[in-house]
Amino acid sequence: NAGVTQTPKFRVLKTGQSMTLLCAQDMNHEYMYWYRQDPGMGLRLIHYSVGEGTTAKGEVPDGYNVSRLKKQNFLLGLESAAPSQTSVYFCASKLPGVGELFFGEGSRLTVL
Amino acid sequence: AQSVTQLGSHVSVSEGALVLLRCNYSSSVPPYLFWYVQYPNQGLQLLLKYTTGATLVKGINGFEAEFKKSETSFHLTKPSAHMSDAAEYFCAVSVRGSSNTGKLIFGQGTTLQVKP
Repeated sequence: NAGVTQTPKFRVLKTGQSMTLLCAQDMNHEYMYWYRQDPGMGLRLIHYSVGEGTTAKGEVPDGYNVSRLKKQNFLLGLESAAPSQTSVYFCASKLPGVGELFFGEGSRLTVL
Repeated sequence: AQSVTQLGSHVSVSEGALVLLRCNYSSSVPPYLFWYVQYPNQGLQLLLKYTTGATLVKGINGFEAEFKKSETSFHLTKPSAHMSDAAEYFCAVSVRGSSNTGKLIFGQGTTLQVKP
């Protein structure tokens, strides 16, 4: 049972470089989310999607872009990485309604 | 706007002692309430949730939480701590109703240390 899979799990970037984090879920979930986790700040929502082809901004969207071209995939892009984007990124997915949010294992990104 | 406050970033208990992790929320209407646990180098797992009905909610691994509307609280408890309970715990809220998009607002997290 794969659930929610994030790639890559670790990445080191230099300031100004770009990269894409991939999230894939095999549970046929409509809703998908990208969070970042920083010490003492909990998880903060970056962007989310309530269906294929739709995306919306969360609490901290600046510096990130997302795409949901396929229902099972949700991509998070950094066009020009900054040290402030050093964080652990989590993808999550769920069905509509008040159900459980399923999380991936996280992607640790360091921007030098 | 909704917000969640977890009182105490670190809580330390002895094995076998009561665990109490505090969570207060701010919302114009009572939200949906959740507790998640995160073990080292893993994603978050749902412990329990309150949506409607009985205000005392039981979750996995012997944890429970009580929704108290008058106190805007949703504290997490476990009668007897086990070493395996050492982890980070997050309280979260989600807006109730037709505008629910499932997005959660998380508290800052509380790290639970269990001493032998």
